[in-house]
Amino acid sequence: QVTLKESGPALVKPTQTLTLTCSYSGFSLTTTGMRASWIRQPPGKALEWLARIDWDHDTFYTASLRTRLTISKDTSKNQVVLTMTNMDPVDTATYYCARSRDGYNAGAFDIWGPGTVVTVSS
Amino acid sequence: DIQMTQSPSSVSASVGDRVTITCRASQGISRWLAWYQQKPGKAPKLLIYAASTLQAGVPSRFSGSGSGTDFTLTISSLQPEDFATYFCQQTNYFPLTFGGGTNVGI
Repeated sequence: QVTLKESGPALVKPTQTLTLTCSYSGFSLTTTGMRASWIRQPPGKALEWLARIDWDHDTFYTASLRTRLTISKDTSKNQVVLTMTNMDPVDTATYYCARSRDGYNAGAFDIWGPGTVVTVSS
Repeated sequence: DIQMTQSPSSVSASVGDRVTITCRASQGISRWLAWYQQKPGKAPKLLIYAASTLQAGVPSRFSGSGSGTDFTLTISSLQPEDFATYFCQQTNYFPLTFGGGTNVGI
């Protein structure tokens, strides 16, 4: 069974750095074609894709947040980590990790974690 | 960036109704289009990918169509468990982008 689960602080202060961890099971991020993304959703708003890391270590970011984001993976721990610097109240959102696969489901996100709520407030 | 515009933003419907949601891309995306269903407090669930292919386990009352810039999600006979918000997403061009969502309610 393929699962993902996000973890991290529920509350961060403005200007702090957020570190989120996605722990996955049931698949390997070393398998050709495997990908993991971070996506966020502010309360009552639409989804926003943030970053992706691929099986071959390639990384991709949304341009508007590129200078603040870093995505990495630790395949020995089955984890994907997202760091976001200089947090602001507008970054308050539910943060999801999701899997996609090159050549499957036309790149759609077929498995999602339950999400973790992050509030930015002093 | 490719903008994904959904309409309507909300729709009132009853059990048994046929519901149609549209999604328009700001430029051609061929058939790189997915649809998701999201219920309150839950993660999105993949319904359709490649514009019209039903994800395994999704009821056949859901269908998708379109290519290029215009796409449609249809629920042929709305069931109680279908009251939710639906999002489209283009799956191939960076940055990956989502529509604003359509809330299907009573």
